[in-house]
Amino acid sequence: DGGITQSPKYLFRKEGQNVTLSCEQNLNHDAMYWYRQDPGQGLRLIYYSQIVNDFQKGDIAEGYSVSREKKESFPLTVTSAQKNPTAFYLCASSSQGVPAEGQYFGPGTRLTVT
Amino acid sequence: AQSVTQLDSQVPVFEEAPVELRCNYSSSVSVYLFWYVQYPNQGLQLLLKYLSGSTLVKGINGFEAEFNKSQTSFHLRKPSVHISDTAEYFCAVIPMNYGGSQGNLIFGKGTKLSVKP
Repeated sequence: DGGITQSPKYLFRKEGQNVTLSCEQNLNHDAMYWYRQDPGQGLRLIYYSQIVNDFQKGDIAEGYSVSREKKESFPLTVTSAQKNPTAFYLCASSSQGVPAEGQYFGPGTRLTVT
Repeated sequence: AQSVTQLDSQVPVFEEAPVELRCNYSSSVSVYLFWYVQYPNQGLQLLLKYLSGSTLVKGINGFEAEFNKSQTSFHLRKPSVHISDTAEYFCAVIPMNYGGSQGNLIFGKGTKLSVKP
């Protein structure tokens, strides 16, 4: 089955530690996205990548980093510089050149930092 | 710049009643319009989308939405809701002049639909 997988579903970390969230897709999509979701704030774009080895900052990139070494994978690292990292993180992908299809979303990772 | 406003953060409704979730957008260019649904602790699932043509679009789970260009609205409706429709619903747009940010969705803040027995 084609789709997007995110792992783990739940992640717990101590303050001051970096943590990497996994996102893999087998939809052959060129574009991939990371969103952060907080209650009452909707989805906010962290980073996006339209092709391998290239990515752009979204609206709230500070304290986060990404890489795009393979078409299928777009991992997100939440660094210790992110002041309020506890949130629900969603990965998505879409066909480059076909924006009208919208985006396909993974099941999300809930990160709790204490 | 584009923006999406979902006028109600929460909508409580009884089972089998009709429901309308409101969405307005602001954009200087034409947009594609989407509604997504999110069940608790899950990702987003596409309900329906408007690209062009007939202004009334039908989606999954019995939902439909009507595009009104003059009012820049894209309200979501269902004539009779079920308990299983309890979820958060997001309206989103993609501007047609996307340029360097091709395909980037701009989301509203969501409406939580709570269906009570």
